[in-house]
Amino acid sequence: EVQLVESGGDLVQPGRSLRLSCAASGFTFDDYAMHWVRQAPGKGLEWVSGISWKNVSIGYADSVKGRFTISRDNAKNSLYLQMNSLTVEDTALYFCAKTLSRGSTNWGDMDVWGKGTTVTVSS
Amino acid sequence: DIQMTQSPSSLSASVGDRISITCRASQSIGNYLTWYQHKPGTVPKLLIYAASNLYSGVPSRFSGSGSGTDFTLTISSLQPEDFAVYYCQQTYSAPSTFGPGTKVHIK
Repeated sequence: EVQLVESGGDLVQPGRSLRLSCAASGFTFDDYAMHWVRQAPGKGLEWVSGISWKNVSIGYADSVKGRFTISRDNAKNSLYLQMNSLTVEDTALYFCAKTLSRGSTNWGDMDVWGKGTTVTVSS
Repeated sequence: DIQMTQSPSSLSASVGDRISITCRASQSIGNYLTWYQHKPGTVPKLLIYAASNLYSGVPSRFSGSGSGTDFTLTISSLQPEDFAVYYCQQTYSAPSTFGPGTKVHIK
């Protein structure tokens, strides 16, 4: 069964850092681009960041560029999101998601999603 | 960055109705357009990719069309399980962007 499980969400103060992880199973992780998507309370979906299957391409939303860093460890079938200088606007449910097609270079088509991990930024 | 808009922002419909949701990109994105369905408390579901390709397992009452800047998601006969929020997403370039969503609720 293809599965994504996020972890690392927490309650943190503004300005602090947090690292999210996403453990993948049931598919050849190396072959797929991966993404982080978030949903703030009462808001819509926001694409946060994506990383291609060979780490060739990485992208960020303007709202997180320079503060968040996406990475992957193909040996551990894991995706990460290092979040620095957190603000209250980063409060959200963070989803990890897999791209539909092997070797895809587009920035979406997310067919498998984890259940999400909650990040709350508050003083 | 490419901005995505959707219309309407919400719509009321009855079971059996045919509905259409429009998504517009601020610049041409070819067919790099994806549609998702999202219900509260669940994870988003992929419906349509590459503007018009039906994802495996998605009922055939869902269809997508369009290219360039204007796209449409159509549900030919609305079913009770279709009441949800629908999002479009451009996958043409980073940063990828979602539309603001269209909430479909029961009339």
